[in-house]
Parts: sequence; C-alpha cells; structure tokens
Amino acid sequence: QVQLVQSGAEVKKPGASVKVSCKASGYTFTSYYMHWVRQAPGQGLEWMGIINPNGGSTTYTQKFQGRVTMTRDTSTSTVYMDLSSLRSEDTAVYYCAAGGSTRLDHWGQGTLVTVSS
Amino acid sequence: EVVLTQSPGPLSLSPGERATLSCRASQSVSSSYLAWYQQKAGQAPRLLIYGASNRATGTPDRFSGSGSGTDFTLTISRLEPEDFAVYYCQQYGNSLLTFGGGTKVEIK
Repeated sequence: QVQLVQSGAEVKKPGASVKVSCKASGYTFTSYYMHWVRQAPGQGLEWMGIINPNGGSTTYTQKFQGRVTMTRDTSTSTVYMDLSSLRSEDTAVYYCAAGGSTRLDHWGQGTLVTVSS
Repeated sequence: EVVLTQSPGPLSLSPGERATLSCRASQSVSSSYLAWYQQKAGQAPRLLIYGASNRATGTPDRFSGSGSGTDFTLTISRLEPEDFAVYYCQQYGNSLLTFGGGTKVEIK
C-alpha cells in the first residue's frame, strides 16, 4: 500500500531554513505527483506547490515563490521541501501528499515546523 | 486564483442525521477537478470524493458529492460517530490548487 513517511519535527529560529523530507513506498515513485500542503495551528489547509518526480518540474504558489524549493531523489524515492527565510507565521504542520496533478490521494503523517526565537 | 467558500460553519448534528455541506467557488470550476477531504483531529486529511461525485477507495457510500459550475455539495446521508470531523473542498485550475476554509461537523 502507498506509504509516505515524513521527517521529524523541527524547531527553527526566524530567518533560518528548514528542509522536510517525504519518503515514498508501495508504488512506482514516478507514477504520482507530490504536493506539499501546510496547516497552521487551528487553521485550514494551504497548498504550497507540486513536483513531478518524473523529471523534477515544479509549480509553486505565488505566495511561496522565491522561498520554497521542492526537489526529489529518485534513487531513494524521496521528495524534499526546503523553505527559507522562516518567520513565525510559517509555524505549521507540513504535509506531503501523492496523487494526480489535480488531487491529493495519499498523505504523509505531517511534520511540525516551529519557528521561534 | 479561485476562492472556495465553505458553509455552514460549524454544523451541529446528531448521529443518524443528514449533513449537507456547501462549497461555493468564486468562478466556475470543472467538475472533474473538485475534491472533498475529511480531517479528524490530530490526523492528516483523507481524500473522500474526487471529480465532484466519485468516491475514493474506502469511502463509505453514505458519502456523496454533487454539483457543477460554482456550487458543490457534500452529503452524508446518516452520520456515524466516526464522521464528526472537518471537511475541506479543493479545486484545481490554471495549474494551481486551492482549498476551502473547511466545515466542522460536530456532535450536537
């Protein structure tokens, strides 16, 4: 069955960067796009962008353009989300989710990123 | 960017009752690109419905989706205890995805 296992919780200072990983198993890695979604405490879901593991092309929402980088390593079936210039408003649970380009079929367990001085 | 507005918020119902959740888009959305997710407290979201009306694998048939254009509905025919959660709609258009703000279905 499809499994997405994300890296552990992070605590970062304002201005730092964070890199969250998402290791996929149970399917052919290049068969699904990988999305990244975040959820601030007590808030709704916010889509950040998508990477196509087949080739590595990416699309980011305008809000995160210039601050987010999504990459993949096909040898380990892992995708990464790097977010820079962190501020307190970036405190959230970050999810990876595999699916088509238009929907999110399978979700990781989430990674809490806390930004605090 | 397409803005999705969900209503009502929150929805207080008893087990066995029918729940009707609304998702309204700021501009027309292709039915093929409208999905619904369920999120229980402390858990990741789960895909329930895609293509506006298609149940995802494992979605019970008490869940149904309908709608077109700018108005979409998720209906839970008879609420089970495990259905009390937050529900999000999501659309895809112009290579971007957006989510609605969510509707919480709570026990009355």
